[in-house]
Amino acid sequence: QVQLTQSGPEVKKPGASVKVSCKASGNTFARSPVTWVRQAPGQGLEWMGYLSPNNADTNTAWRLQDRVIMTIDTSTSTAYMEVTNLRSDDTAIYYCAIGSRLRRLDPWGQGTLVTVSS
Amino acid sequence: QSALTQPASVSGSPGQSITISCTGTNSDVGDYNSVSWYQQHPGKAPKVMIYDVSIRPSGVSNRFSGSKSGNTASLTISGLQTEDEADYYCSSYTGANTVVFGGGTKLTVL
Repeated sequence: QVQLTQSGPEVKKPGASVKVSCKASGNTFARSPVTWVRQAPGQGLEWMGYLSPNNADTNTAWRLQDRVIMTIDTSTSTAYMEVTNLRSDDTAIYYCAIGSRLRRLDPWGQGTLVTVSS
Repeated sequence: QSALTQPASVSGSPGQSITISCTGTNSDVGDYNSVSWYQQHPGKAPKVMIYDVSIRPSGVSNRFSGSKSGNTASLTISGLQTEDEADYYCSSYTGANTVVFGGGTKLTVL
């Protein structure tokens, strides 16, 4: 069973950037897409986007398209999700999961809390 | 893309059955069979319980079942157990290479 391990919590100021990592056991990202989902405190899940191996297939939620960058480093089996120009409403737990637009999200990482505060 | 509509909360007693609805449009739930259901316990990551409308992943109890009619998908949990108390989210492919989640339903087992 694939396991996803995410990077630790981050505290950032408004306008800064944050890069969250998601390391998979085995060579998972060479053959499986990754999806990113976030959850603001006390709120529901928000789909952010997905990226397939070799950038063959990708999309980002329209409201985040100009601030979110997703990448995969297959040499280390690690996926990254960067959010630029952070705002207070970007405060959330960010999750990575294996799967894409037409596939179930399974498994999920443990989540990374990103706090944006001045 | 608007979120799918779920009831904010449902409740049931141990042993009973409950159903959580997930209403979308004919551009998402009504047009595709890529509907999934996720269970999330407090402080934990979500876990897939149903995918492709009605398929149960290996290891998920057969007390969980899914269905769809028109623009509404449903998750039914039979023989409620205390460990089923959690938040449940539906999701659907939208046809624009995006996915939308429901607002979530808090299940309380009385």
